[in-house]
Amino acid sequence: QQPVQSPQAVILREGEDAVINCSSSKALYSVHWYRQKHGEAPVFLMILLKGGEQKGHEKISASFNEKKQQSSLYLTASQLSYSGTYFCGTERASNYQLIWGAGTKLIIKP
Amino acid sequence: ETGVTQSPTHLIKTRGQQVTLRCSSQSGHNTVSWYQQALGQGPQFIFQYYREEENGRGNFPPRFSGLQFPNYSSELNVNALELDDSALYLCASSFQGGTGELFFGEGSRLTVL
Repeated sequence: QQPVQSPQAVILREGEDAVINCSSSKALYSVHWYRQKHGEAPVFLMILLKGGEQKGHEKISASFNEKKQQSSLYLTASQLSYSGTYFCGTERASNYQLIWGAGTKLIIKP
Repeated sequence: ETGVTQSPTHLIKTRGQQVTLRCSSQSGHNTVSWYQQALGQGPQFIFQYYREEENGRGNFPPRFSGLQFPNYSSELNVNALELDDSALYLCASSFQGGTGELFFGEGSRLTVL
């Protein structure tokens, strides 16, 4: 039931792009994306409610393929501040009760 | 800063003891969810409270219990602590019917010896 995130870790140079994937075996109502820095609370990035919808947040965007129950997070021209662990959280109904993936650790080097 | 505050920030208990963790939700939010996050793992949903009633529960035993008060603040109680209960406990507040965003507190780090 837990969504599967890939890759587990990514190391980038500043300015490079990254894609993080999140797949579920269950039909989903929504996919949430959060970033958590070490020792801090998760911070909301975006929520995707409809199949095929794409949303953006600064240079971070995401898509949700409802047919495949798969979401991807795109980080463009990465900055040092993007470092952290990215989690996808899935909802099967509109109830704010998220099932989280194991996370993708992103390290950005200057 | 989300406006969600949790206390205590750190605590150490021994096996078999009981612990109470507290959360003040963001102003205007009527829903509080609790999550357990083990080191290096994603958060695990414990339960959710909406208008002082439990509104959903994850795969946690009954020794994990909670309360929500009329001002929407909340408590998480864990009885008969086990070593595996050592984790970061996160409280998230939200508004039912809102945007769907969860606002997290900084968490309470529990160590069980």
